[in-house]
Parts: sequence; C-alpha cells; structure tokens
Amino acid sequence: GQNIDQPTEMTATEGAIVQINCTYQTSGFNGLFWYQQHAGEAPTFLSYNVLDGLEEKGRFSSFLSRSKGYSYLLLKELQMKDSASYLCAVMDSNYQLIWGAGTKLIIKP
Amino acid sequence: IAGITQAPTSQILAAGRRMTLRCTQDMRHNAMYWYRQDLGLGLRLIHYSNTAGTTGKGEVPDGYSVSRANTDDFPLTLASAVPSQTSVYFCASTPLDSGEETRELFFGEGSRLTVL
Repeated sequence: GQNIDQPTEMTATEGAIVQINCTYQTSGFNGLFWYQQHAGEAPTFLSYNVLDGLEEKGRFSSFLSRSKGYSYLLLKELQMKDSASYLCAVMDSNYQLIWGAGTKLIIKP
Repeated sequence: IAGITQAPTSQILAAGRRMTLRCTQDMRHNAMYWYRQDLGLGLRLIHYSNTAGTTGKGEVPDGYSVSRANTDDFPLTLASAVPSQTSVYFCASTPLDSGEETRELFFGEGSRLTVL
C-alpha cells in the first residue's frame, strides 16, 4: 500500500531551527509537496520538490531524496506564527496526492 | 478575488438527511477535488474531476456523489448522512494540464459537518 509517515507533533523555540521529516512509499512518484495548515483553516502551499536536492524559499527550505523516499522541511528563525500543522503529500503515478497525517508544530517563546 | 468558495461553513445534520456541500471557484481551474480531513488522518480524497463533464472516485467515495456540470461548480452530495461522515470537508482545485509544473492545490476554507 501507499504510505506517508511524518511525526505527529514537534516542539521548538522561537528563533530556533526545526526540521520536519517525511518518509514515503508510493506507487510511482511525480513530486512531493509541503503544505502549512493553521488550526481551523485551509492548507496553503509551501513547496514542491520533484528532483533531488534542496529548494530554498525564504525562511523555509525543502529537501528531497527520491532514492531514500525521504524529504524534510526546514524552518529557520522560527516565529510564533509558524505554529501550525505541516502536511507532506506525494503525487503518485496516477497524479493523485497521497497525504501524510501532518505534523503539529508548537512554537514556545 | 474569491478563489474557492465553500458553503455552508458549518452544518449540523440529522442522520438520514440529504446534504449538498457547495464549491465554486473563479480561477477557471479544470481540476477539482473533494477531501475529508479527520483527526489523526491525512486528507482523504472522496471524488475528483479533471475537467467539466467528468468525475472519478477517490479513496473514500462510498456515501458521496459529485457532479461537474461546468468548470466553476463541483457540489458534493451526501444522499443519506451517517455519523461516520462527521468531518471537515475541503474542496480544492488546480490548473491541471495548463503547463503549471507544480500542480499546486488551492483549497476552500472548509465545511465542518456534524451528523448526529
């Protein structure tokens, strides 16, 4: 079956760096997405990786290793507003998205 | 700029009742999706439509139906609601086959449905 694994919850300190990992097993691969979802709100797009390597976008970076079925989202200079759930999703060979359950990130002052 | 609009935002429904969740987008996206989100689970695809006039079943289609009469609207109907359909429902769209590499999904604000 298809599976996306990510930690359920993580805690970090304001101003610090946090890395949220995602491992996947899917039938085919057409890209990996990270979305941010604040409580009670809709998910919003953060990043997309289809080739191996690091994609940097401001304070957020996303890394992909297709051979290892692994990605991480790196958040730098954490702010209180970064408290949210972070969703990892993989697009399979049928171009359907398979979603992880999300990682709830708690930022402490 | 509206994007994707869902209605209602919240609804309490008696079991056995029929309910339609509405979804309208003004971005002319050809692909639209309905997901449900439950605590501890990832978003699960209910139904999708790659273009007006076509629909397909997702991971959890039982008890739900959809239609896509035009590009903008993609309603989701629960023919006879059951308590296990209590969830938050998200409609989403993407400009499939437009040359957009990322296939980013744009989500509506969600419809919280409680079936008693």
